[in-house]
Amino acid sequence: GAVVSQHPSRVICKSGTSVKIECRSLDFQATTMFWYRQFPKQSLMLMATSNEGSKATYEQGVEKDKFLINHASLTLSTLTVTSAHPEDSSFYICSARLGQGIYEQYFGPGTRLTVT
Amino acid sequence: GQNIDQPTEMTATEGAIVQINCTYQTSGFNGLFWYQQHAGEAPTFLSYNVLDGLEEKGRFSSFLSRSKGYSYLLLKELQMKDSASYLCASMDSNYQLIWGAGTKLIIKP
Repeated sequence: GAVVSQHPSRVICKSGTSVKIECRSLDFQATTMFWYRQFPKQSLMLMATSNEGSKATYEQGVEKDKFLINHASLTLSTLTVTSAHPEDSSFYICSARLGQGIYEQYFGPGTRLTVT
Repeated sequence: GQNIDQPTEMTATEGAIVQINCTYQTSGFNGLFWYQQHAGEAPTFLSYNVLDGLEEKGRFSSFLSRSKGYSYLLLKELQMKDSASYLCASMDSNYQLIWGAGTKLIIKP
């Protein structure tokens, strides 16, 4: 199956700093990548949909200036949490899809962000 | 609006069978996915149904009834490692996944 990697797997940062999370599709080209956030004991919450070469589409309630997404190539998307606050502490998961249409999403292993 | 409903938690015994139900209402429908998620890990794909009926894959089977907006995941011969959350997701007309809150399955010896 397709492999998606995320880096880092865990990060602890101080309040007010920025953190960048990378999502890579290792053995396929992903035209679309998704960024999710998951709080403990809750389901996945879609933050944004990222298409290569175009601006990300953010879900309602997600601040695009706070969560910067760059889909620089068909194998790499980055999420930058700017001016992080403790309430941003969460499990961030990316997924990648081969193309438009009915394609399975392949998930990365997730990044545990803790803001102190 | 779009909505996915599944039970919050279920408990079953090792070796037994358990059925996790999911009802969905989405804008358009392009299939129903089931994912397994162990605590602290990302979801992994289990099954995809787009036509009515039962799809069997080893110990796991998934069923879909489009007219009822209903699906279930059936797990047989339960093992302790099956303890996880099971996420139901419906793909809408824009090919976006609409996720349920997940069902936490607890397996007891």
